[in-house]
Amino acid sequence: GAGVSQSPSNKVTEKGKDVELRCDPISGHTALYWYRQRLGQGLEFLIYFQGNSAPDKSGLPSDRFSAERTGESVSTLTIQRTQQEDSAVYLCASSSGTGYGELFFGEGSRLTVL
Amino acid sequence: KQEVTQIPAALSVPEGENLVLNCSFTDSAIYNLQWFRQDPGKGLTSLLLIQSSQREQTSGRLNASLDKSSGRSTLYIAASQPGDSATYLCAAGEYGNKLVFGAGTILRVKS
Repeated sequence: GAGVSQSPSNKVTEKGKDVELRCDPISGHTALYWYRQRLGQGLEFLIYFQGNSAPDKSGLPSDRFSAERTGESVSTLTIQRTQQEDSAVYLCASSSGTGYGELFFGEGSRLTVL
Repeated sequence: KQEVTQIPAALSVPEGENLVLNCSFTDSAIYNLQWFRQDPGKGLTSLLLIQSSQREQTSGRLNASLDKSSGRSTLYIAASQPGDSATYLCAAGEYGNKLVFGAGTILRVKS
């Protein structure tokens, strides 16, 4: 596609439910990144993929968070047993994966946990 | 651990002014430095990318410089316009192109 696409754009869920957030990167981009932005705070790194492998998962806040990527394309971030502190905008970015080029971000998925 | 600081946190200027946004980082072993803008409720738009071997990049009215040894980058905006109003974020690129972000500078350009 023309840009990084994320869905859903908005998700409201009840505490304790599981949610899945999807990211469709720019076609041909082998590197994919997930970030979290809580209200009024900076962006926090969660995880990045090179191809279908995740060399760095150091930012995942707890074992309730997991992510996978298939076909060197779409990635899914899953949050199990959501808590109110998980409320945030989850942003996905992709880059070509060669060298250290620009990251291109999607518009984000806004998650609200009631 | 890399820490990125942006000064000022907020800035309000009249239209037409030239302005400077500052970014500092604690670990000079970066691979690149990227500047973004973020409009309310939106994702990030890449403005400029400076590779670690470069000193500056220019795009239109924007110029960004990088001084790795002192851990600083500056974004210069010439002849500011109301449409420039947004939050400006700088990010230091680490191994794997993992970006560490500053908290941002909120810019308001008054017409």
